[in-house]
Amino acid sequence: DTGVSQDPRHKITKRGQNVTFRCDPISEHNRLYWYRQTLGQGPEFLTYFQNEAQLEKSRLLSDRFSAERPKGSFSTLEIQRTEQGDSAMYLCASSFWAGNTGELFFGEGSRLTVL
Amino acid sequence: GNSVTQMEGPVTLSEEAFLTINCTYTATGYPSLFWYVQYPGEGLQLLLKATKADDKGSNKGFEATYRKETTSFHLEKGSVQVSDSAVYFCAVKSSGGGADGLTFGKGTHLIIQP
Repeated sequence: DTGVSQDPRHKITKRGQNVTFRCDPISEHNRLYWYRQTLGQGPEFLTYFQNEAQLEKSRLLSDRFSAERPKGSFSTLEIQRTEQGDSAMYLCASSFWAGNTGELFFGEGSRLTVL
Repeated sequence: GNSVTQMEGPVTLSEEAFLTINCTYTATGYPSLFWYVQYPGEGLQLLLKATKADDKGSNKGFEATYRKETTSFHLEKGSVQVSDSAVYFCAVKSSGGGADGLTFGKGTHLIIQP
């Protein structure tokens, strides 16, 4: 396993369109996280899954955002009716749950540009 | 909720200089502390961590000590190299209540000149 992979790496879309990002975590990891990172800022937590269950969603995750992890393996993050403010890098991370000491392994991110 | 404050960059140093990047945090419970690094064109990767007070995390010549009394986790390196040029993020993670994920600082861009 070569690590967390994300697809696509870059997406340019027009305002109002829907976009979907995919994340494939490290295979034995049971937790999967989504973060958003804008220029000059640190990553901001969006949501996370333990296996297929979505356990927490940040206030940043508006109703236009939905995430799934249907079989407890890969995950998708969909943004409906995109807005220019959605332009950011969307990061996926995975971990094997080990309390709050566990390391998160990050993918290289999917960069979204909304025109 | 948790928060992290780290010194703003960019920080520009000459090769072999001593490095300190300050980081302070607020967190609930018994947090763990992390430094992540992002090299140009790459994803975030863990540099070092400390899981309880007075622990020292170290890796690749970098060190940071978990100081509960000052709620700090400053990153240090005795002699930096050009290859250390990257963005460094301090992060905190605590269990119980609130987000399970990491809370990051804004990042410090480090530039090492030969």
